[in-house]
Amino acid sequence: DARVTQTPRHKVTEMGQEVTMRCQPILGHNTVFWYRQTMMQGLELLAYFRNRAPLDDSGMPKDRFSAEMPDATLATLKIQPSEPRDSAVYFCASASSYPEQYFGPGTRLTVT
Amino acid sequence: SQKIEQNSEALNIQEGKTATLTCNYTNYSPAYLQWYRQDPGRGPVFLLLIRENEKEKRKERLKVTFDTTLKQSLFHITASQPADSATYLCALDERGDYKLSFGAGTTVTVRA
Repeated sequence: DARVTQTPRHKVTEMGQEVTMRCQPILGHNTVFWYRQTMMQGLELLAYFRNRAPLDDSGMPKDRFSAEMPDATLATLKIQPSEPRDSAVYFCASASSYPEQYFGPGTRLTVT
Repeated sequence: SQKIEQNSEALNIQEGKTATLTCNYTNYSPAYLQWYRQDPGRGPVFLLLIRENEKEKRKERLKVTFDTTLKQSLFHITASQPADSATYLCALDERGDYKLSFGAGTTVTVRA
């Protein structure tokens, strides 16, 4: 049963620290997404890639967030430096054809 | 920017009844409107897509309507079951390029 995997599942860190979240998309899926979900803002698209190339990162705070796909089996989302307002659940999703996106279980980030 | 509103309150219904959820938007009519289900602690799961030129779409006990004049989509769960209890999210895609804008979601609880 193919699924998107994310690590870590939970992360607690102090303000100012670097945070790296990882995602393994479903094998063969060429489109990968990063989302953030909070109670206040809901689910927001941060960035997405197709064939490892960034297509859109307009939802991502550029000064502290960065997203990459070093290879087809790994996507990373990095926050440096982290701030308390970054506390949220971060989801990765992947897709092979429109419209269905397959979401991972999420990384719950708490920045103190 | 697009504002998306879903039922402001949670929906509690008796098993066997039909649950009706609303999704209203304020500005442009999207090319596609999607519905997702999200269970606590999990990522959203794609349910249905409806195109702007379609009035209605069905999948098993689910029915979605799309009225571009009213700027509204209705999502129906017929013959509801306790297993249908979850949060349901609507998402708008303006151009069919995966760039989704999500509503806040409506939490449905089905009582046995």
